[in-house]
Amino acid sequence: QTVVTQEPSFSVSPGGTVTLTCGLSSGSVSTDYYPSWYQQTPGQAPHTLIYNTNTRSSGVPDRFSGSILGDKAALTITGAQADDESDYYCVLYMGSGIWVFGGGTKLTVL
Amino acid sequence: QVQLVESGGGVVQPGGSLRLSCAASGFTFSTYGMHWVRQAPGKGLEWVAFIRYDGSNKYYADSVKGRITISRDNSKNTLYLQMNSLRAEDTAVYYCAKGCACSYEYFHHWGQGTLVTVSS
Repeated sequence: QTVVTQEPSFSVSPGGTVTLTCGLSSGSVSTDYYPSWYQQTPGQAPHTLIYNTNTRSSGVPDRFSGSILGDKAALTITGAQADDESDYYCVLYMGSGIWVFGGGTKLTVL
Repeated sequence: QVQLVESGGGVVQPGGSLRLSCAASGFTFSTYGMHWVRQAPGKGLEWVAFIRYDGSNKYYADSVKGRITISRDNSKNTLYLQMNSLRAEDTAVYYCAKGCACSYEYFHHWGQGTLVTVSS
């Protein structure tokens, strides 16, 4: 059973930088998993931020960036703003028509 | 612009059935794979199923395999999710999402979701 791991919660100060990560319970995340990232505020549908590791979806500010850091995928938010306070989910494509979401990270901006 | 509008949610008894629909507009529906993703109350997102642009291949999460069927009608620009033998743990908001017509089919656009409640 593949488990995709994310920090349950994270806190960042306004204007600060934060890096959220997305790992595997067994093994390393690479670009071969085509990691993608989604933002969700309470009561709203998810919104696509990053796909294929580091490509920003249309209209997403360049404050959001994706990468591989060590053995994990990473989402970095630079110059955090109050409305960045959301839940963030990563997804890994395992191949053979299987996608797995991480458990999500609740980001607080304060 | 891309619009995905889910419908068909509601309250159903355990063991019952429900069919969800997702009406698509603003893009050439017949050329994109489509997903269903769900979110139980207070929980994270869970991928449920994917169907290729022409319906030729369908994929399911282990948690729903054998009970849920994804399908599409390209003439009606509509995606479906037939859910049978429903359990309490199927209670969730169900989102349809458009793929990217790329090999890894990430979740490019999302609908607003429809709530399914399984309860007696």
